[in-house]
Amino acid sequence: DSGVTQTPKHLITATGQRVTLRCSPRSGDLSVYWYQQSLDQGLQFLIQYYNGEERAKGNILERFSAQQFPDLHSELNLSSLELGDSALYFCASSVADGSSYEQYFGPGTRLTVT
Amino acid sequence: AQKVTQAQTEISVVEKEDVTLDCVYETRDTTYYLFWYKQPPSGELVFLIRRNSFDEQNEISGRYSWNFQKSTSSFNFTITASQVVDSAVYFCALSELDTGRRALTFGSGTRLQVQP
Repeated sequence: DSGVTQTPKHLITATGQRVTLRCSPRSGDLSVYWYQQSLDQGLQFLIQYYNGEERAKGNILERFSAQQFPDLHSELNLSSLELGDSALYFCASSVADGSSYEQYFGPGTRLTVT
Repeated sequence: AQKVTQAQTEISVVEKEDVTLDCVYETRDTTYYLFWYKQPPSGELVFLIRRNSFDEQNEISGRYSWNFQKSTSSFNFTITASQVVDSAVYFCALSELDTGRRALTFGSGTRLQVQP
């Protein structure tokens, strides 16, 4: 158990809908990362937050957004969902904002868009 | 641009065999970090090791060992006396300090099947 929690574990929804994925980092970790794992794209970085502020953006679509709250939990919002958004979404946390710190991953949320 | 290549898509071995998973990376940074993660069938990503670019010492942890060679931009992972529980997808990843790219760039993964 990495200490990172993600809810829900599974999510099935229809095209055009909007969903929110939730992540709670390990106790004491200030940095949260979101990654998407799909069969065709592999594991891709989406966005990073550190202590409530956006720090870096990766291949995140404009239909997707995220935020980190004062209690450090983070939410990833996916809207106008398309079939291609079906993937496993991971949240990871690290103690600080730096590439030297290992990231601990949550169990993931499997999103299926039908 | 940064890139991680894991050329072996799938490897199948019989229990107790040794197996090496290859990882080759590309980066323009002089300071960077390399990682290995394991993704068992249950789906979670498990951190295995972190290595910085200035530390080329090989590392051993039980049946696991890692060989970092800066000259060939490789960070290979060897499992000695493999076990069925080692069956998983293994990912090599890179993060860069100079450019501040803190997020991990992953390779495509190597699926290891250990047969009893």
